[in-house]
Parts: sequence; C-alpha cells; structure tokens
Amino acid sequence: QKEVEQNSGPLSVPEGAIASLNCTYSDRGSQSFFWYRQYSGKSPELIMFIYSNGDKEDGRFTAQLNKASQYVSLLIRDSQPSDSATYLCAAPIGSSGGGADGLTFGKGTHLIIQP
Amino acid sequence: DAGVIQSPRHEVTEMGQEVTLRCKPISGHNSLFWYRQTMMRGLELLIYFNNNVPIDDSGMPEDRFSAKMPNASFSTLKIQPSEPRDSAVYFCASRANYGYTFGSGTRLTVV
Repeated sequence: QKEVEQNSGPLSVPEGAIASLNCTYSDRGSQSFFWYRQYSGKSPELIMFIYSNGDKEDGRFTAQLNKASQYVSLLIRDSQPSDSATYLCAAPIGSSGGGADGLTFGKGTHLIIQP
Repeated sequence: DAGVIQSPRHEVTEMGQEVTLRCKPISGHNSLFWYRQTMMRGLELLIYFNNNVPIDDSGMPEDRFSAKMPNASFSTLKIQPSEPRDSAVYFCASRANYGYTFGSGTRLTVV
C-alpha cells in the first residue's frame, strides 16, 4: 500500500514570505505527484503536477521532486492570505503516472498566512 | 463547462436508512472516482470506473456500500443501511488525462 505522509501543521507564515510544504512517500517506484489545495468546506483543486526530478514552476508556485530522498515539496512565493488552506499531496496508486488507477492522498498540511 | 456535479450537497439521515449520492462527471472524462473524506482518515478512494465499468472497489468499506455507473454521465453511491460511522464528506471526481476534477461533495450525517 503506497503511503504519502505530510505534517498536519498548522504551518504559520507571514504574508509576503515563502511557504514551504513537504511530503514524503513510501513507494520508490512512484513516478509523479500532485498538489491539491482545499479551502475549508470546499473540494480539492489541482494546483501542480510534477513528473521529473527537479523543479517545476507555475506562477508563485514551485513544486520540487527528489526521487532519491523520496520527498516532494511545494513552495509558495509572496504568500497571500488567500493562500491559507489545506494542501494535499497525492501519488498515483497504480503504475500509471497520470493517476488512471486512483490517487492516494496525504492527510494534508494546514497553511495559515498571517497578514 | 459546469464541472463535476454532485447532489445532494447535504444529507442528514437516520441510522438504518438508505442513502443515495449522485454524481455527473465532466463530459468527455472517461474515468470516475468516489472518495470519502474524514478528519481521521483523510481522503480515501472507495471505487473507480473506467468507461462506465467498475475497475476497483477494494476501498468500499463494507457490503452496505454499492456504486453504479449506468452511463457516461451519471453515477450513484448507495449506502444501505446507513450507520453513524458513515458520516463524512463524499466526493466524486472525474479524470481525462491527468489529475482529477472534484465535485463539491456531499456532506453526509447519519444520526
């Protein structure tokens, strides 16, 4: 059973600073990872997908994958109060990198951006 | 695009009653997933369908749970009989190429 682990937080970051969220995974064969954001009382929404080792940038968000150390990170630059949410890390359950067989989710890290 | 549509948004029912949750996936998405979310266990995959065919239902907790997808635009998750421990938010998600789009969820409370 693939496992994805996250620190539940809360992680408190001042507005304008960089928020760093981390995720570790158990299956060395995992090829890709997803970051979802979930506001309180809302559904998860996909914000980043990373497949290769290294960094992937999209606006203020950067996902980092280190397969040797089996961890995935999400950096949020210039943090805004609207970034306050729970961030979920997920990995495909099967061998499909795109999650065709389902995704296994971490329990999420609660991020608070302090104005 | 209306996104993934779930109904009802909230459901309160008494223990022992039958509950049916409904989902309409995004048109053209050929995979549909049912998840359950609780504080203790997080998001758990219950069952998924590819092209309307159930592929893996190993996450369904008990025989009290069943799911169907009679066509590409509709799926149901049924709990019969319901129990208080079934209280959770149930999400439906559909997928085209990668990642999922989640519906707004159904918050189920069994009293």
